[in-house]
Amino acid sequence: DADVTQTPRNRITKTGKRIMLECSQTKGHDRMYWYRQDPGLGLRLIYYSFDVKDINKGEISDGYSVSRQAQAKFSLSLESAIPNQTALYFCATSEGVWANYGYTFGSGTRLTVV
Amino acid sequence: QQQVKQSPQSLIVQKGGIPIINCAYENTAFDYFPWYQQFPGKGPALLIAIRPDVSEKKEGRFTISFNKSAKQFSLHIMDSQPGDSATYFCAASPSGGTSYGKLTFGQGTILTVHP
Repeated sequence: DADVTQTPRNRITKTGKRIMLECSQTKGHDRMYWYRQDPGLGLRLIYYSFDVKDINKGEISDGYSVSRQAQAKFSLSLESAIPNQTALYFCATSEGVWANYGYTFGSGTRLTVV
Repeated sequence: QQQVKQSPQSLIVQKGGIPIINCAYENTAFDYFPWYQQFPGKGPALLIAIRPDVSEKKEGRFTISFNKSAKQFSLHIMDSQPGDSATYFCAASPSGGTSYGKLTFGQGTILTVHP
């Protein structure tokens, strides 16, 4: 099993629908992150969580919400999807103390909003 | 605002060439600079990282050069191979404060190495 698992891998949804992307990890890491990847824009941080009780907005949090259900689970929701939220979404984890020793990324969720 | 600017957006080299990818940052609190490599259908994976107390770091065919005064760093791939074809991201983070360990990524460079 992968260290960081994202579901679904691909999703097509309609404008206005609510959708949830899920992330679970077996690394035992405290910190979890949601990024979106767009061509030419790189990886941009949506939300991050340094522990179960800590949730923080990233640089592009508008239109998104998150839930940290447990140390191992961090979900991203689009309350009312719009076409410009079409992107590749990545969940990542890192250790609290050794955060500078690397993130572990999931394989991504490709979301298309039509 | 984009705190880490990466160039070029795409790069094509022949096998054996030395592609160079450049990044510039603005935040002087950044003091950890990793590079990530991403293959199609996969998430990015840590490739190599540097701290500003050294000007160069090598790991195999990959080298980071760091210029603290210019606030720039670059990735060099020696003797590039077709298997190095991937998207490369530079990143930066501070090692203290509330943003400790929170990475800011560059825009990415799509590298193609022709056989």
